[in-house]
Amino acid sequence: DAGITQSPRHKVTETGTPVTLRCHQTENHRYMYWYRQDPGHGLRLIHYSYGVKDTDKGEVSDGYSVSRSKTEDFLLTLESATSSQTSVYFCAISLTGTQGGYTFGSGTRLTVV
Amino acid sequence: QQPVQSPQAVILREGEDAVINCSSSKALYSVHWYRQKHGEAPVFLMILLKGGEQKGHEKISASFNEKKQQSSLYLTASQLSYSGTYFCGTEIIKGGNTPLVFGKGTRLSVIA
Repeated sequence: DAGITQSPRHKVTETGTPVTLRCHQTENHRYMYWYRQDPGHGLRLIHYSYGVKDTDKGEVSDGYSVSRSKTEDFLLTLESATSSQTSVYFCAISLTGTQGGYTFGSGTRLTVV
Repeated sequence: QQPVQSPQAVILREGEDAVINCSSSKALYSVHWYRQKHGEAPVFLMILLKGGEQKGHEKISASFNEKKQQSSLYLTASQLSYSGTYFCGTEIIKGGNTPLVFGKGTRLSVIA
């Protein structure tokens, strides 16, 4: 299995504070993605990256930013957390984009109080 | 743009068959299928490219009708281990830079 880890696994934070989630891969895959999963909505794309320093927005990118300074790390930052950002966040990697399957990390459960 | 999955949920007894459908309003280049067990990450099952091919994975197979922008996942002789939520992910533009758009999922429960 591809090596992909997310940290932290669980986090509780207060409204208005910045939060950074980390996705780390050891597979040297070019493509990395951040999705959020909420009941009734499935998986929705926040941001994605197709190379170092190459990122783009997904359908629910408001309030989020990302950075990818190294192939192996893709960081997701909630600039000022709100209760609507309470969710499970999944990182995914892919060697060839959509020509191959995605491998998902174990997820980060974030609660904003 | 989000594909529509049906049914939303289904309950099966062991050994029964099920079909999960995925439909898009956009022309599709490929369709992926994933299974997610409760509290775990989604796991890739298979990918279907345009051309109407059917693929198989154990007793799970899928078809893709590009003219109708539809894909179906077939689970035959279901086992308890098949329980989980199934997601289709669709690619509407050819190329590696366009991320998948996922449906809302179909919850499958297999009971003894």
